[in-house]
Amino acid sequence: AQKITQTQPGMFVQEKEAVTLDCTYDTSDPSYGLFWYKQPSSGEMIFLIYQGSYDQQNATEGRYSLNFQKARKSANLVISASQLGDSAMYFCAMREGRGATNKLIFGTGTLLAVQP
Amino acid sequence: GAVVSQHPSWVICKSGTSVKIECRSLDFQATTMFWYRQFPKQSLMLMATSNEGSKATYEQGVEKDKFLINHASLTLSTLTVTSAHPEDSSFYICSARDPTGVSNQPQHFGDGTRLSIL
Repeated sequence: AQKITQTQPGMFVQEKEAVTLDCTYDTSDPSYGLFWYKQPSSGEMIFLIYQGSYDQQNATEGRYSLNFQKARKSANLVISASQLGDSAMYFCAMREGRGATNKLIFGTGTLLAVQP
Repeated sequence: GAVVSQHPSWVICKSGTSVKIECRSLDFQATTMFWYRQFPKQSLMLMATSNEGSKATYEQGVEKDKFLINHASLTLSTLTVTSAHPEDSSFYICSARDPTGVSNQPQHFGDGTRLSIL
């Protein structure tokens, strides 16, 4: 069974508009972390934002915010004021437990295209 | 700056050649590193977990004899694709997390290696 699900293979957004990228997850571990990474065409993985399972508030990092709905097991990424440079592949990922040795499992990704 | 360095960034070689890819943690000692493989327009698939001083843990379906992992020091893990064939052509990327960091510390990724086997 998929542990991380991203149902949007691709999305378009107009420059300066906000966009939400969906992510749902499945785990029975009460302690987990959710991550969003951006992968531009050059291939590097850029960390955007983190949400811990015990965090009371939704994470925010600049133009990125995470809409964390624990009961629904969703962790959607919201990008505000989209820029052309935001065009990239976006991956949601989960790490079960807190250890540094715990692996990161990725969703299938969403390709975001920002239009001028 | 980069905290995980991966080398080489691009490799083109003939079928049957063995290729070694290095992954170094620059600012911290990583007892564990992770190796991923990514085909075009697909997600990152975890291949194996590299453990310093012990054997790597491979994910189901990954051939241990094909993808040799060595984690001989706290800052270096290597992935060797043995007798590479065209179907091994892919984007390989490593990652590590600072074990001394707090729980929200992300995994840091190398820039990846594009392997093309002709």
